[in-house]
Amino acid sequence: GAGVSQSPRYKVAKRGQDVALRCDPISGHVSLFWYQQALGQGPEFLTYFQNEAQLDKSGLPSDRFFAERPEGSVSTLKIQRTQQEDSAVYLCASSFDGSSGYTFGSGTRLTVV
Amino acid sequence: AQSVTQPDIHITVSEGASLELRCNYSYGATPYLFWYVQSPGQGLQLLLKYFSGDTLVQGIKGFEAEFKRSQSSFNLRKPSVHWSDAAEYFCAVGDTGGYNKLIFGAGTRLAVHP
Repeated sequence: GAGVSQSPRYKVAKRGQDVALRCDPISGHVSLFWYQQALGQGPEFLTYFQNEAQLDKSGLPSDRFFAERPEGSVSTLKIQRTQQEDSAVYLCASSFDGSSGYTFGSGTRLTVV
Repeated sequence: AQSVTQPDIHITVSEGASLELRCNYSYGATPYLFWYVQSPGQGLQLLLKYFSGDTLVQGIKGFEAEFKRSQSSFNLRKPSVHWSDAAEYFCAVGDTGGYNKLIFGAGTRLAVHP
C-alpha cells in the first residue's frame, strides 16, 4: 500500500485481557520498528525486525510483550495480561533500507481499563 | 547513552512570526538527526533529516534545521509560521552504527495564534 497501515486504530481492553495489534508496512520495506508513545511523551523503541528476523527486542518492557513478523511483511505486537501502564499509542514504522528515514503509521491507541 | 533534549515543552507564536524549536543531543559520534511532526491522532511525519554534508538542511513545509556539532544542537526553524503548523514536534537521533533505531525527545507542542 501507499503507507503504513495499523489496526485497530483504537482498542479498549479490560485489565488482564490479551490484545494483538497489527502493522502492515509499505510493500518491500525490509526494516520494521515498533514504538510505544505514552501520553505527553516521545515515542520509545520497543523492537526491530529485519525481514522476518527480530534483531532487537531490548525495548520490550516485560515478557508480557511479544512481537512477530513471520513472513517478513505484516507484523503483530501482542500484549498478554494487559495492565493499566500499558495504555499508550503503539506506533509502527517501516523503511526500505533503514538509512533514509522511516514512514510511521497512525498508531493504535490502547486504553486498559 | 544516547539522549535527546527538547527544552521547550510548549511554545506559542503568532501567525506569520518566525519559529525556532530547540534540540540538543548526546551521542558519541556524528549522529543521524531527524525532526518529525505529529498532528493530533496522527502518526509521525518526517520534516527533515541530517546524515552528513551541509549542516543546513531543508525540509518540507518550509522548515529548515542547522546541525551545530560544537553545541550538540539541531534546531528547527521556519521564517513565517502558518496556523496549520500547530502540532507536536519531535527531534530524534538515530544510531549510525546499527540499523538506525531512533531515540526521541519528549516533544515541543506548538500553538499558533491568529
